[in-house]
Amino acid sequence: DIQMTQSPSSLSASVGDRVTITCRASQSISTYLNWYQQKPGKAPKLLVYTASSLQSGVPSRFSGSGSGTHFTLTISSLQPEDCATYFCQQSYSPPFTFGGGTTVEIK
Amino acid sequence: QVQLAESGGGVVQPGGSLRLSCAASGFPFSSHALHWVRQAPGKGLEWVAIISYNENSIYHADSVKGRFTISRDNSKNTLYLQMNSLRAEDTAVYYCVRDYYGSGSYGYFDIWGQGTLVTVSS
Repeated sequence: DIQMTQSPSSLSASVGDRVTITCRASQSISTYLNWYQQKPGKAPKLLVYTASSLQSGVPSRFSGSGSGTHFTLTISSLQPEDCATYFCQQSYSPPFTFGGGTTVEIK
Repeated sequence: QVQLAESGGGVVQPGGSLRLSCAASGFPFSSHALHWVRQAPGKGLEWVAIISYNENSIYHADSVKGRFTISRDNSKNTLYLQMNSLRAEDTAVYYCVRDYYGSGSYGYFDIWGQGTLVTVSS
């Protein structure tokens, strides 16, 4: 099975800061990497698919990059509504594993 | 409006069974692969199972293999998860999720239901 490792597990940043979350795969997954945002009590929401494609309706301050085993999700200017937990997920082969999550808080 | 609505959750004793359903609307149900994803209280996301659009590809996570079975009825636009031999560690919110693609390979989870809570406790 492919293991997905996210870092950091949590972070605190100020409004307007640039925030970067990292996800590493235990083997190459090409660009079959997706990012989701989950707010408390809500279902996850797709943000970025195939590593760098922004889902329709997602603000352009979100971006994804990477390939192979190393991926990043960047929020260019953190906003209060971005407080949430972010998960990466590989869709290269089943089981379609998720990273452990990164909780983003406003400082 | 594209929508997935789960039902069937509840409290069940260890060793018991439960069947979850997921009713879909607003999109061509028979064209998409579908997944179940679960989330234990306060924990991360765990992928549970996938069924392709034509049922030719079905996979279950090792943690549920032999106990859970995913199925679908394209005539009723409904996805199912039959859960047997339930354990305390199966306690979670279960989400029904649409895959953008039909086969499920290399896809992404673009539509999520609101989730249904399953609690396994005596």
